[in-house]
Amino acid sequence: QQKVQQSPESLIVPEGGMASLNCTFSDRNSQYFWWYRQHSGEGPKALMSIFSNGDKKEGRFTAHLNKASLYVSLHIKDSQPSDSALYFCAEYQGGRALIFGTGTTVSVSP
Amino acid sequence: DMKVTQMPRYLIKRMGENVLLECGQDMSHETMYWYRQDPGLGLQLIYISYDVDSNSEGDIPKGYRVSRKKREHFSLILDSAKTNQTSVYFCASTTGNSDYTFGSGTRLLVI
Repeated sequence: QQKVQQSPESLIVPEGGMASLNCTFSDRNSQYFWWYRQHSGEGPKALMSIFSNGDKKEGRFTAHLNKASLYVSLHIKDSQPSDSALYFCAEYQGGRALIFGTGTTVSVSP
Repeated sequence: DMKVTQMPRYLIKRMGENVLLECGQDMSHETMYWYRQDPGLGLQLIYISYDVDSNSEGDIPKGYRVSRKKREHFSLILDSAKTNQTSVYFCASTTGNSDYTFGSGTRLLVI
């Protein structure tokens, strides 16, 4: 079974600061990668996907992928209280299902 | 508004009772999933359904079975629930890419 590991487990960021989340995966055949965000009491919601090596920016969120190093990260710039949530990375090999990581809890302190 | 609806939101069952968790979607998505979420373990895949009566085991299918008789409806059944099946269960659907729409979850407590 493929494993997707996330770090850190939890993170406290000051409002306006930068949050950095890391994810390592185990299979070089993975086609692309997602970041999902889950607010308390809700289901996860897709944040952004990345499938090419390098950076992808969407608003305050930047994902970085390095397939050779089996590594993907998410950076949240100018963190807001509404960014406080549980963040999952997930890998997709095609034809089956997303494999989710263990999650990183982000708390933005005012 | 595209939606995945899970019922019930909260459920308490005694060990040995049968449990039915229901999921509906209004997007005509072919593929649906059941995951369970436990602290520190993330989301673990229980079952996949590719369409009506076309189901496949996920990574942790033991103790669970599923039913999909209509494209918009996917059920998870626990026959004789165990205390280690206490968890939050999420249903998701997709058109076939990996952009999932999740429901709000069912919080199951087995006592």
